[in-house]
Amino acid sequence: RKEVEQDPGPFNVPEGATVAFNCTYSNSASQSFFWYRQDCRKEPKLLMSVYSSGNEDGRFTAQLNRASQYISLLIRDSKLSDSATYLCVVNQAGTALIFGKGTTLSVSS
Amino acid sequence: EADIYQTPRYLVIGTGKKITLECSQTMGHDKMYWYQQDPGMELHLIHYSYGVNSTEKGDLSSESTVSRIRTEHFPLTLESARPSHTSQYLCASSESATGVKAFFGQGTRLTVV
Repeated sequence: RKEVEQDPGPFNVPEGATVAFNCTYSNSASQSFFWYRQDCRKEPKLLMSVYSSGNEDGRFTAQLNRASQYISLLIRDSKLSDSATYLCVVNQAGTALIFGKGTTLSVSS
Repeated sequence: EADIYQTPRYLVIGTGKKITLECSQTMGHDKMYWYQQDPGMELHLIHYSYGVNSTEKGDLSSESTVSRIRTEHFPLTLESARPSHTSQYLCASSESATGVKAFFGQGTRLTVV
């Protein structure tokens, strides 16, 4: 079983749609969690950290369920510019960042 | 913007050549990483370092080697390049504490012919 697993993509949605991505991680000792965004042929960039209490940044909401080892990202009112690959990332003390395979989102007009 | 730089951005080189991919950061980060990524595929960790003179192999077996003689510099070397090494190589750095974000360089796109 992979350490970080994400929904298979691609997700094809119209502008204005709400879309949710899921991610599960296998190591209960994981301590910090992130969502990164990667555009085609570019480097990954941090979208947001994920906190146990849940956190929101504009149209983006991230949730963490430690008991279920589950992370989610919700995007409301999708824009064309949201088209990218979204990477779930997990960090444990004493190890490197572990990336999921990513979920591709395509928003169309 | 992150202060982490990779050179060269693009490299086309013949089989058997020795190559070094450079990565430097000016943020004073202790942790640095090298990831390999083929087009449309996932990131694979190939090396990481927690500080000067510390290097570890990642999840993906790699014929490359790394060194960390200075905090700001984490070069990756391939002694004899092969076509199977053709890929994108991404360097990243972060502070030592968990819960802090990592910054990525723009990557080196390597083609071995």
